[in-house]
Amino acid sequence: EPEVTQTPSHQVTQMGQEVILRCVPISNHLYFYWYRQILGQKVEFLVSFYNNEISEKSEIFDDQFSVERPDGSNFTLKIRSTKLEDSAMYFCASKVPTVGPTGELFFGEGSRLTVL
Amino acid sequence: GQQVMQIPQYQHVQEGEDFTTYCNSSTTLSNIQWYKQRPGGHPVFLIQLVKSGEVKKQKRLTFQFGEAKKNSSLHITATQTTDVGTYFCAGRPGNTGKLIFGQGTTLQVKP
Repeated sequence: EPEVTQTPSHQVTQMGQEVILRCVPISNHLYFYWYRQILGQKVEFLVSFYNNEISEKSEIFDDQFSVERPDGSNFTLKIRSTKLEDSAMYFCASKVPTVGPTGELFFGEGSRLTVL
Repeated sequence: GQQVMQIPQYQHVQEGEDFTTYCNSSTTLSNIQWYKQRPGGHPVFLIQLVKSGEVKKQKRLTFQFGEAKKNSSLHITATQTTDVGTYFCAGRPGNTGKLIFGQGTTLQVKP
């Protein structure tokens, strides 16, 4: 069964360092998302991406964050200068094209980011 | 901002008892989805509801979408230990594509 894959599974970094989290969405999916989940809390929307551009983003997704689809298969989330509060599980998700805003999200296993 | 509230936060039940989690949105939703997250896992899609007043069943799970499309519920009949996990509702406000998750209800089932 096709799945969304994410790397790394766990990254430990020092505050102020740049981090890149990578995702390979399911191949025929065209909508891509990043969510994050601080330990024990809810899943928070960060950004959605379609047709090589950001379609929506949340207040959390400030100038320190960026997304890219560099080669037609990978979808990356970059955090330029990590802060302690960026420590969380980051989930990538993808979705098939649908008519209107419907359709299930397929989530990857997540990348756990620990900022020291 | 747009919020999706979910209660209760935790529920401990004896195996065989029923379980219900409730979801309320501050705005009308175009659709609502339910996801299950096992401990240490990722959210896995359960179902999507689109129509006002819609009710869908999956074996022991019953999902409802309110008439005003602002609330939803998930009811599990006769819980089993395999039902353990956190159940999230997630709604799409208006015509936006983003899915906003509730806080989740963590279900523990005692055998």
